[in-house]
Amino acid sequence: NAGVTQTPKFQVLKTGQSMTLQCAQDMNHEYMSWYRQDPGMGLRLIHYSVGAGITDQGEVPNGYNVSRSTTEDFPLRLLSAAPSQTSVYFCATSSPGANVLTFGAGSRLTVL
Amino acid sequence: QKEVEQDPGPLSVPEGAIVSLNCTYSNSAFQYFMWYRQYSRKGPELLMYTYSSGNKEDGRFTAQVDKSSKYISLFIRDSQPSDSATYLCAAASGSARQLTFGSGTQLTVLP
Repeated sequence: NAGVTQTPKFQVLKTGQSMTLQCAQDMNHEYMSWYRQDPGMGLRLIHYSVGAGITDQGEVPNGYNVSRSTTEDFPLRLLSAAPSQTSVYFCATSSPGANVLTFGAGSRLTVL
Repeated sequence: QKEVEQDPGPLSVPEGAIVSLNCTYSNSAFQYFMWYRQYSRKGPELLMYTYSSGNKEDGRFTAQVDKSSKYISLFIRDSQPSDSATYLCAAASGSARQLTFGSGTQLTVLP
């Protein structure tokens, strides 16, 4: 039981490049979400999903794209990376009826 | 103005001290309140969860919520070096899974 697995742990991109951050969970949680963490800003919600085929925007969705084709996976896509997207990204999940989030270990992204 | 405000610190205390961490919030609709602990280079982990106003105690940790003053507190008794981490307060309204976080307070407990 691995919980919430995020890959890659570290990534360096050039401005304009695209990439996908992966999030996989083996807990059968229906709720999955992506947060970004920046100094002085705390964690901010980017996108979330309440089940396969259903996604919605959070507080800071611009520049990011998500899809949810399976219960287990919730990838976050950066379509054209910008230096402002330099951050630590966390995937978080929750089980039905639970009001708490389980976070992954994070993916540290630097955009040059 | 951010919906959840938290003093970023850093806060440094000697081992055994009582630690008080505080947040304020502005959204009256918030009814779920949490404290997460985050060790360096790790993901946040849930420490305390409170619904509405009141106190909740778990070992050396006590969480308090005062909705009348929109104040959230976490107290750590007999602090240990292993408590050294960043503490994040969080609040939510309709769904406790869509959280609004404070910016975090970095705590160091010196042996």
